[in-house]
Amino acid sequence: EAQVTQNPRYLITVTGKKLTVTCSQNMNHEYMSWYRQDPGLGLRQIYYSMNVEVTDKGDVPEGYKVSRKEKRNFPLILESPSPNQTSLYFCASSLSAANQPQHFGDGTRLSIL
Amino acid sequence: AQSVTQLDSHVSVSEGTPVLLRCNYSSSYSPSLFWYVQHPNKGLQLLLKYTSAATLVKGINGFEAEFKKSETSFHLTKPSAHMSDAAEYFCVVSDPYSGTYKYIFGTGTRLKVLA
Repeated sequence: EAQVTQNPRYLITVTGKKLTVTCSQNMNHEYMSWYRQDPGLGLRQIYYSMNVEVTDKGDVPEGYKVSRKEKRNFPLILESPSPNQTSLYFCASSLSAANQPQHFGDGTRLSIL
Repeated sequence: AQSVTQLDSHVSVSEGTPVLLRCNYSSSYSPSLFWYVQHPNKGLQLLLKYTSAATLVKGINGFEAEFKKSETSFHLTKPSAHMSDAAEYFCVVSDPYSGTYKYIFGTGTRLKVLA
């Protein structure tokens, strides 16, 4: 089954404790992306990747890192999380450049205390 | 720069009546436009997409949208609302020909369907 898998689905942690949210897709998609969803703001793009070793900033990259060492994986790293990063996070992938529909994971709800 | 404006944050309709969710976009080149639906506590599902083919686009579950370049609009419609349509809907624009490979989301419209 074609899918985008995120882990964990839920995480409560404390300020400053490094965390990684994993994202994996099994569709051989080139384009992958991370979003955060906050009430009233829709989804905002954090980082995206056009292909292996090619990443670029979205609209809200501050406080986040990503890497794309393999085509299928695109982890999101919060090196020193802060409470303003409490949000619902989605990973997505699409076949190629940003004119293709995206497939979304089920989301990761992060709470930073 | 690209942008998307969803004109209504909340829309309420009665079951069996038409649905209209409005979206205006800004893009300098040849945009691709999408509508996604998000049911409570779920991920996002693609409803339909416009990528410079036919201007009237049919999607899943009876939804359709019309691309109007002169009005820079991509409104989502459905002839008859069903209770299961209650969800949040997002309009999305992308335009890689502009040199940026981002997807820009609107702030969402929450659709309520009354029995």
